[in-house]
Amino acid sequence: DVVMTQSPLSLPVTLGQPASISCSSSQSLVYSDGNTYLNWFQQRPGQSPRRLIYKVSNRDSGVPDRFSGSGSGTDFTLKISRVEAEDVGVYYCMQTTHWPRTFGQGTKVEIK
Amino acid sequence: EVKLLESGGGLVQPGGSLRLSCAASGFTFSTYAMNWVRQAPGKGLEWVSVISGTTGYTNYADSVKGRFTISRDNSKNTLYLQMSSLRAEDTAVYYCTKDWHIINWGQGTLVTVSS
Repeated sequence: DVVMTQSPLSLPVTLGQPASISCSSSQSLVYSDGNTYLNWFQQRPGQSPRRLIYKVSNRDSGVPDRFSGSGSGTDFTLKISRVEAEDVGVYYCMQTTHWPRTFGQGTKVEIK
Repeated sequence: EVKLLESGGGLVQPGGSLRLSCAASGFTFSTYAMNWVRQAPGKGLEWVSVISGTTGYTNYADSVKGRFTISRDNSKNTLYLQMSSLRAEDTAVYYCTKDWHIINWGQGTLVTVSS
């Protein structure tokens, strides 16, 4: 199975400041079609997860442009340019290139 | 608007069975693969199973293989998860999700396996 490793697991941030979460995979996430199926999800307290980013860097509809994704191969990053109060929650990376699908452990973002 | 509404969760004894359902609306159900993803209390996310839109392709996590069966009824826009030989470690909120790449999520249904 592809192991997804996130860091840090806890991220206290100041409102208005940037935040960055790393995700690395134990195998390349490049699929045979040339696409890299690395996704980022946000789970706010008490809510279902929602997808923020797909194929490394594409924002889903309605996702604020302060969220951005980058990376390639086995190393990926989610960045929040200026953290807002509504960004508190747990963020997960997930690969949908290989079977079985696998998630990272989650990174808890909280306000300092 | 895409809507996914799970039901069927509840308390079941170890070794028991349960069937979850997910009623889908707001999109052409038969053209999308569908997944189940679960989350144990206070824990992270775990992908459970997938079924293709019309070809019958299925895949399972090793942790549920041989015990869980995913199916769908495209005439009813409904996804199912038949769970048997349930264990305490299957206790979780089970989410229905749309597409190979997990675009949308339902609100989840809680399954508790306990005596």
